[in-house]
Amino acid sequence: AQKVTQAQTEISVVEKEDVTLDCVYETRDTTYYLFWYKQPPSGELVFLIRRNSFDEQNEISGRYSWNFQKSTSSFNFTITASQVVDSAVYFCALSEFAVGNTPLVFGKGTRLSVIA
Amino acid sequence: DAEITQSPRHKITETGRQVTLACHQTWNHNNMFWYRQDLGHGLRLIHYSYGVQDTNKGEVSDGYSVSRSNTEDLPLTLESAASSQTSVYFCASSGTGKDEKLFFGSGTQLSVL
Repeated sequence: AQKVTQAQTEISVVEKEDVTLDCVYETRDTTYYLFWYKQPPSGELVFLIRRNSFDEQNEISGRYSWNFQKSTSSFNFTITASQVVDSAVYFCALSEFAVGNTPLVFGKGTRLSVIA
Repeated sequence: DAEITQSPRHKITETGRQVTLACHQTWNHNNMFWYRQDLGHGLRLIHYSYGVQDTNKGEVSDGYSVSRSNTEDLPLTLESAASSQTSVYFCASSGTGKDEKLFFGSGTQLSVL
């Protein structure tokens, strides 16, 4: 069965600090997809990234970067030079691919507070 | 622009009443999902559908039902609302291509008193 663990429930950092959000997953499938979503205080869920299991290249998008390591079943998310607007709950999620994608299984989320 | 809308945004109901939450998407997506969000639990899957007349149970389906009579809508019904069903409910949809991702509605805050 698939499972996503976000061990960090809450993180608090001072503005401009770097912060890494951890995500560890479990799956028996060889083909799967990993996601990160952001939920700002307004409540909507915002897609950040989708990565398939065959692509272990790290991804960078502005201040955001993602480190995917199959050897440790981890898909960690780093925010460089954090800003107050980064304050949100961040969810990691997993979808297995069999005949079409299975529904996303989400971790419990990490609440990030960036203090000015 | 295509979108996914949920209604109502907020709902207060009493224990034992039947409640239906609406979800409508204009993406023409085959896949639709209902999740609930609770503190300490993250997002948990209630029901999902991969097309018209198709419905499937998720992790926390007890006390909920869905029906899919067209592509655009997946209403979620609480047959007899319970206080444990007080939660924020999110509807989502996705296509079936290899680069698909979930698009979420804005959520419905449901309080069962």
